[in-house]
Amino acid sequence: DADVTQTPRNRITKTGKRIMLECSQTKGHDRMYWYRQDPGLGLRLIYYSFDVKDINKGEISDGYSVSRQAQAKFSLSLESAIPNQTALYFCATSPAPYNEQFFGPGTRLTVL
Amino acid sequence: LAKTTQPISMDSYEGQEVNITCSHNNIATNDYITWYQQFPSQGPRFIIQGYKTKVTNEVASLFIPADRKSSTLSLPRVSLSDTAVYYCLVGGYSGNTPLVFGKGTRLSVIA
Repeated sequence: DADVTQTPRNRITKTGKRIMLECSQTKGHDRMYWYRQDPGLGLRLIYYSFDVKDINKGEISDGYSVSRQAQAKFSLSLESAIPNQTALYFCATSPAPYNEQFFGPGTRLTVL
Repeated sequence: LAKTTQPISMDSYEGQEVNITCSHNNIATNDYITWYQQFPSQGPRFIIQGYKTKVTNEVASLFIPADRKSSTLSLPRVSLSDTAVYYCLVGGYSGNTPLVFGKGTRLSVIA
């Protein structure tokens, strides 16, 4: 089984809908991250969490929120989806205190 | 965080050695240099990390000059399966600031 899983893997939704992307990990890592990737733009950090009680905004947090329900679970929400949030979303984990990150398979989100 | 600059794209033929250079002029004393590889529609994967001189593993080598203002990822004898985007990141080996992914270098290996 994969160490970092993301659900759903693909999602098509409409403008204005609330969407939640979920990430689970079995690696026992304290640190978790959410990124989005747009063609030709590399990965941009949305939010990160260094432990269950710690949530931090990344480079592009506007329009997104997160919840760290447990050490193993980190969810990303789009409260009211808009078309320019169409992207590939990745969750990642890393073992404190080190920075090496382990990525999930990604969620492809399309907002119509 | 140190800003990194790397070529947008590179092409290579199968069997050749590929060197991708990353510039990081404002690297801090406690910063490490880390490289990731990303295949299409997959998450990035850690390749190699180093602080100074040379590091080698089963996948690649990393060369870091004494001034540490640049680094070079070396992929020996590339194959078609090495076609991917390669990211150079600079930051603390341990710390409270996440590493920043730039746009990376898109390597295309041609038969």
